[in-house]
Amino acid sequence: SQQGEEDPQALSIQEGENATMNCSYKTSINNLQWYRQNSGRGLVHLILIRSNEREKHSGRLRVTLDTSKKSSSLLITASRAADTASYFCATDVITGGFKTIFGAGTRLFVKA
Amino acid sequence: NAGVMQNPRHLVRRRGQEARLRCSPMKGHSHVYWYRQLPEEGLKFMVYLQKENIIDESGMPKERFSAEFPKEGPSILRIQQVVRGDSAAYFCASSPRSGAGNTEAFFGQGTRLTVV
Repeated sequence: SQQGEEDPQALSIQEGENATMNCSYKTSINNLQWYRQNSGRGLVHLILIRSNEREKHSGRLRVTLDTSKKSSSLLITASRAADTASYFCATDVITGGFKTIFGAGTRLFVKA
Repeated sequence: NAGVMQNPRHLVRRRGQEARLRCSPMKGHSHVYWYRQLPEEGLKFMVYLQKENIIDESGMPKERFSAEFPKEGPSILRIQQVVRGDSAAYFCASSPRSGAGNTEAFFGQGTRLTVV
């Protein structure tokens, strides 16, 4: 099964509300990244958090990482209709060489 | 500095034909990764290459699929004798070094393969 598992699978909120997405993973990681994908398009890197960091901010994004629980959360504050997209977490596994593993994603819909 | 370029953006092949997907990494990037995305699903790792080397192909089917990243030119993902189940979006990403260096990967727009 996938290394990263996001929840919820889908999230629908009103513009201005906050959106929280969670990601859980199985094996030890070097870092964890969040990406956004607009429908039918490529992925855009949002934020990277290292395994020795607990929290990181970038604009309206806040990412937390709890390595003891093997989980991360992405918070988007004051959401906008333009935030409507799929959000994926990805982990760089450090066993058996390198690869970045993605979860199935959370589909966020922000209603204007 | 152009981003990761993938071509073609859309590719239609009949069952049994060959599909060639190209990926030109960002300038200065020597690491390329290929992912496959089925509709409504996440990205699944296929293969990780450096120039002239396949580093990890654990996510690539053993038959019909191959990948290369030559010293000169783009990385190529080749699917022989395509079947309907190969229909998916194939994404390429590049980075200047391996993920162990805590670096992000930059993604192309993907190639959407449709097998009819």
